[in-house]
This record gives sequence, C-alpha cells and structure tokens, in this order.
Amino acid sequence: AQSVAQPEDQVNVAEGNPLTVKCTYSVSGNPYLFWYVQYPNRGLQFLLKYITGDNLVKGSYGFEAEFNKSQTSFHLKKPSALVSDSALYFCAVRVLSGGSYIPTFGRGTSLIVHP
Amino acid sequence: ETGVTQTPRHLVMGMTNKKSLKCEQHLGHNAMYWYKQSAKKPLELMFVYSLEERVENNSVPSRFSPECPNSSHLFLHLHTLQPEDSALYLCASSSYRDSLGRETQYFGPGTRLLVL
Repeated sequence: AQSVAQPEDQVNVAEGNPLTVKCTYSVSGNPYLFWYVQYPNRGLQFLLKYITGDNLVKGSYGFEAEFNKSQTSFHLKKPSALVSDSALYFCAVRVLSGGSYIPTFGRGTSLIVHP
Repeated sequence: ETGVTQTPRHLVMGMTNKKSLKCEQHLGHNAMYWYKQSAKKPLELMFVYSLEERVENNSVPSRFSPECPNSSHLFLHLHTLQPEDSALYLCASSSYRDSLGRETQYFGPGTRLLVL
C-alpha cells in the first residue's frame, strides 16, 4: 500500500536549537513529496517539495528537507528553531490512483518550540 | 492569504438540516479538492475535481455531495449529517498540468463544522 507516515505526534524543541520533524513514505515509482504547515485556525500552507534533482530541498521560513531514497524518508529540518515555528506540520506524498497522482497526507506532527 | 476563500468559517447544524459549504479560488487553478480534518487523524481527501470533472471520490458517504460549477468554485452540500461528521473541512486548489503530480496545493482557512 502506498502511504506516508509521521511517527511523532509531537516534537518539543528549545528556541535556537535545531529541529527535525520526521516523515517516511511507501510508494511505488518515483515519489513526489511535500511539506505543509498549519497555524491555528488557518489552512495548510506550502513549505517545500521534492520532485527530482538535488536531494536537499530548501523552502520557506528557513526550512529544508532531505530526500533519502534508501531510507524512504523526507525529514523536515531547520538549523535554529523559533517560537513562531510552533504549528502543525504535515508531510504529503502523491499517490498514483486511477491514472492520476492523488495527494495523501500524514497524521501531522505538532511542533512546540519553547522560549 | 493563499487566494483560496471558504465560507462560512463556522457552521453549526442539526442532523436534519441541509447546508452548503463554499470554496472560491482566485489563482487561476483548474483542480480543486475537499478534505476533512479531524483531531489526531490524517487529513482525509474527500473529493478531487480536475478541469471541472470529478476524478476522485474516496468512498465518501452520500450525505456529502460536491458540486463544481466552474474552475473557480467548489461546493460541498451537506444533508442529514451525523455528529461524527463534525470536523474542519478544508478546500484546496492547484493547477493541473501532468496528472496532478507535481503541483503545490493552496488551502483555504477551512470551515469548522459542528453537527448537533
């Protein structure tokens, strides 16, 4: 089955420390991978995506993610966390269904950055 | 703002009511989506419209009925809902190029629905 998993419901990190939000996937063929962020009472906002090319993808707000094909992972990272980064983060993968690539989202990981 | 608007932002309805959720995008996109977001669950894709045709219907109960009259508007008609249908309903849009594979989705703020 094609799917995406976010193994952590919550990640806690101190402001200024590096952060990692984990995502693993299981798809056949080449994956298209995305990260979105959701702030309270808002819809999801696009952060970054991997389609092809360089395994390290840089996105909005200083976030980056590394595509690792051997480990089927696409972890989200930031060198120095801010309190304002506290939000819900979703990993998504495009899944082939009926001839179209349909987005499938993980459960989301709540990132809490402490002052 | 993302260019995708949803109305109403909050809705309380009884199980016998009929209501509609509206989504409008001003981005020139031609693919639109409805998602259901419940606490501690993955985002559930409900419907996908591409070029105004429905391309995905994820086994959604018939009490949810989508309508896409044109590429800028998407509706979700609700009737005889159940309390477990209470959730945040998100609309999204993207441009359709090659099988919806690479395109970024842009989300609206959602409609918070409570079914009593």
